[in-house]
Amino acid sequence: DAGVTQSPTHLIKTRGQQVTLRCSPKSGHDTVSWYQQALGQGPQFIFQYYEEEERQRGNFPDRFSGHQFPNYSSELNVNALLLGDSALYLCASSFGTGGPTEQFFGPGTRLTVL
Amino acid sequence: AQRVTQPEKLLSVFKGAPVELKCNYSYSGSPELFWYVQYSRQRLQLLLRHISRESIKGFTADLNKGETSFHLKKPFAQEEDSAMYYCARFSGAGSYQLTFGKGTKLSVIP
Repeated sequence: DAGVTQSPTHLIKTRGQQVTLRCSPKSGHDTVSWYQQALGQGPQFIFQYYEEEERQRGNFPDRFSGHQFPNYSSELNVNALLLGDSALYLCASSFGTGGPTEQFFGPGTRLTVL
Repeated sequence: AQRVTQPEKLLSVFKGAPVELKCNYSYSGSPELFWYVQYSRQRLQLLLRHISRESIKGFTADLNKGETSFHLKKPFAQEEDSAMYYCARFSGAGSYQLTFGKGTKLSVIP
């Protein structure tokens, strides 16, 4: 089991563009959470997907959207990119109905907005 | 809003010295607290959680509700402990998000 995988590893975009990041959860996991980690900061919760629906959302604008597929993989979409969206985007997977179960993190996608 | 505070950005200790990484959280009912670690060029991984009361790699952390703290301790630091450490809390019933502190970089000097 490769654990949580994310693609691409790195991405460079310009302001105003749109980006899609992808995540495959650890085998047996059904829940995917997305985090944004700016330089020098801890990860900040964007949203969580369970049963193909957004179950909870952090303090991020509607430009950030997501999707979960029947195979539990997930996408994070960011529209109208801003310079401030430059960050490491982490995906984490877990199992179950969302109690305090361990979240397993992927290696992240480094997004640079120019 | 839930908050997790790690007051030290960087902590340097000598090998064999005791280590204490500080974490304070904003009070809210019964928090579920964690320590995550990120070694160089590796992904973020769970080190320990307060509910399990385990000792992992010699590290322990005790939840002090009176001081709203969850400090991470190890009696004798090893070089391989050098890493980035993040304290995090689960917001609890009805909430599914983890709130992280800004992290403390631990550097163990040989």
